[in-house]
Amino acid sequence: NAGVMQNPRHLVRRRGQEARLRCSPMKGHSHVYWYRQLPEEGLKFMVYLQKENIIDESGMPKERFSAEFPKEGPSILRIQQVVRGDSAAYFCASSPLERGGYTFGSGTRLTVV
Amino acid sequence: KQEVTQIPAALSVPEGENLVLNCSFTDSAIYNLQWFRQDPGKGLTSLLLIQSSQREQTSGRLNASLDKSSGRSTLYIAASQPGDSATYLCAVTPTGANSKLTFGKGITLSVRP
Repeated sequence: NAGVMQNPRHLVRRRGQEARLRCSPMKGHSHVYWYRQLPEEGLKFMVYLQKENIIDESGMPKERFSAEFPKEGPSILRIQQVVRGDSAAYFCASSPLERGGYTFGSGTRLTVV
Repeated sequence: KQEVTQIPAALSVPEGENLVLNCSFTDSAIYNLQWFRQDPGKGLTSLLLIQSSQREQTSGRLNASLDKSSGRSTLYIAASQPGDSATYLCAVTPTGANSKLTFGKGITLSVRP
């Protein structure tokens, strides 16, 4: 079992470009969560998805951010028109059950220049 | 709103020392509590998961306890080693329909040889 796979590991984008972050959950896990870690801050919840459904997006900024978890393929976190403040580490976690133990990926480190 | 606090933010100890890392949370209505380890620039590794009905969990040199009524958890590390140097994060999952994790900011541990 390859664990939670995130790619790319590092992503550099210019201001105004789009960033796409991918997450493949562990085999058998149908619950996916995205968290953001800003420098000197803790991890903050962004969004919780199951296949083809957004369950809780209360942590997502209202504009420019979107997430999906299609029937086939990885979960995608999309950030449009990136700004410097979007620079952070973005982590994906998956679990086999709601409120089960979480397994985290290695993260994608986004740098906006 | 759940808040998770980990104090102190950093800790430095000599090798071989037994140590306790503290975590406190404001809302005792939790489903479970999980301790993670994060190495610099890396993802999160799950160490121990304690269900709300449990008092403690053990894995090797690690022992985590949970006191829901007082809103506290401790992670005990026996015979610390330089390889234990990392940031230790605790996170709680609430009861009810909301399954997102709330994290503390972590304790950065340095074990001196």
